[in-house]
Amino acid sequence: QAGLTQPPSVSKDLRQTATLTCTGNSNNVGNQGAAWLQQHQGHPPKLLSYRTNNRPSGISERFSASRSGNTASLTITGLQPEDEADYYCSAWDRTLNAWVFGGGTKLTVL
Amino acid sequence: EVQLVESGGGLVQPGGSLRLSCAASGFPFSSYWMHWVRQAPGEGLVWVSGIDSDGSKTIYADSVKGRFTISRDNAKNTLYLQMNSQRAEDTAVYYCAREDSAFDCWGQGTLVTVSS
Repeated sequence: QAGLTQPPSVSKDLRQTATLTCTGNSNNVGNQGAAWLQQHQGHPPKLLSYRTNNRPSGISERFSASRSGNTASLTITGLQPEDEADYYCSAWDRTLNAWVFGGGTKLTVL
Repeated sequence: EVQLVESGGGLVQPGGSLRLSCAASGFPFSSYWMHWVRQAPGEGLVWVSGIDSDGSKTIYADSVKGRFTISRDNAKNTLYLQMNSQRAEDTAVYYCAREDSAFDCWGQGTLVTVSS
C-alpha cells in the first residue's frame, strides 16, 4: 500500500522554526487531512494534531498544522532540545480502505 | 487515565504463530475503533489492521491479509492480533492504538522477532 511522502531529515537551530511536510493524494491527505505524531527514541508515538489543525489537550501551541491541497505541514516554532525526534504523518486512504503513514522525518535541533 | 498495555510478543520461528493482546483501561473500550501498528527496528510506522467498536468490521494491510486476524473482547476490554504463517519481515514492535479521528492513544508496544 502506497504511503505518504516525508523528507527523511530536517535540521534547524535552537529557537528557530521548522516546517515539516507530508505529501499524499486526493484520496488521503487531500480528502480528510493528515494527523501528525512525534516519536522519541525508544518511546511510542504521541499525537500532536489531527484532521489537519486540531491539537489534543496538553499539546503545546508551538506545534501547528495546516494543509494545502494534497500536502500537509507541521510547523514547530521556538525549537527546543526536546523537539528533537521523529515526526510521522498519517491519513485515512478512502481508496485503499487503509490507514497510511509517511516514512517519517528526523528533526535535529542544532 | 487512558492506558493500553500490549503483551504476547516474543521469538517465533518462520511459519509459526503468535497471539498478541492489548488490555485497555480508562475509557469506554467498546466505543472505539482499535488498531495494530508495527515498527520494524530502525524503520517507520506501518499500519497493520483495525477493528470497529463491536468487532463486526475488520480491515487489514495487504502485507498481512490472510495471515493475521484482529479481534476484540469488549467484555474483557481486550484487543487481539492472531499472527499466523509469520515471516522474517514481520519482525517489529507491535503497538495497539485507539482511533479517535486519528491514533490518539498508544501502548508501549511488544516486540515480535521472527527468526530460526
